[in-house]
Amino acid sequence: KAGVTQTPRYLIKTRGQQVTLSCSPISGHRSVSWYQQTPGQGLQFLFEYFSETQRNKGNFPGRFSGRQFSNSRSEMNVSTLELGDSALYLCASSWGAGEGKTQYFGPGTRLLVL
Amino acid sequence: AQKVTQAQTEISVVEKEDVTLDCVYETRDTTYYLFWYKQPPSGELVFLIRRNSFDEQNEISGRYSWNFQKSTSSFNFTITASQVVDSAVYFCALSLYNFNKFYFGSGTKLNVKP
Repeated sequence: KAGVTQTPRYLIKTRGQQVTLSCSPISGHRSVSWYQQTPGQGLQFLFEYFSETQRNKGNFPGRFSGRQFSNSRSEMNVSTLELGDSALYLCASSWGAGEGKTQYFGPGTRLLVL
Repeated sequence: AQKVTQAQTEISVVEKEDVTLDCVYETRDTTYYLFWYKQPPSGELVFLIRRNSFDEQNEISGRYSWNFQKSTSSFNFTITASQVVDSAVYFCALSLYNFNKFYFGSGTKLNVKP
C-alpha cells in the first residue's frame, strides 16, 4: 500500500504570496490532519478533516485554511505569507477519526519564505 | 489542558549501549492514547508504537521496549544495543478519545556513534 504523499516537497515563496500544499492519504483513510514543524515551536496541530468536514482546528490565524475532497485528498492554503511561516508542513492520515487512531505521516513539504 | 514533556533534548551514546528516552504527559481525561514516532533526517515521522490508557502492559519489540506507568504519567522508550541507524529525533505524542489531534513533545535527538 502506498504511503501518504505530499506535493510539492520543497517550495520557496516570498512574503505576501500565497501557497497551496497537497496531501494524498493512504488508500482507504478518510481522516487527514496537518501539522507545522518549526525549530522554535516544534510540532503544532493545524487542522483535521474527516469526510470533507473540518473536525478540529489548532491555534493558527485565519491565513491558514484547508479543505478535503471527496476522494479524501486534502489541501492546505496559506495566504499572505510571512517569514515565520517557513516550516516543514506534515500531513498525516488515519483510517477513522478519534479513538486513538494511529496517524501515518507523509514526508512533508518544506516551505521557505523569503 | 494536555501537555507532553520530553526533558531530554539530545542524547549521545556509543553503539551497543542501551538508551532510554523519557516522556511525561499531562491530561485530565481518563481515556487517552500515547504514541512514539521516529523522525530521521529525511523528515517523515515513522510510527513506532501506540498505547491506550487502559493498557499498562509493557511491550517489547525486537530491540525496542516501552514502559507505560499511569501512576507517574510516563511512557518511556528504551532501545537495547543501539545502532547507528537508530540516530534520529524521537517524539512522544498524546491524543484524546474523540480527537485525532496529537499533542507532541519537543522531541529527543538521539545520536548513536560507531
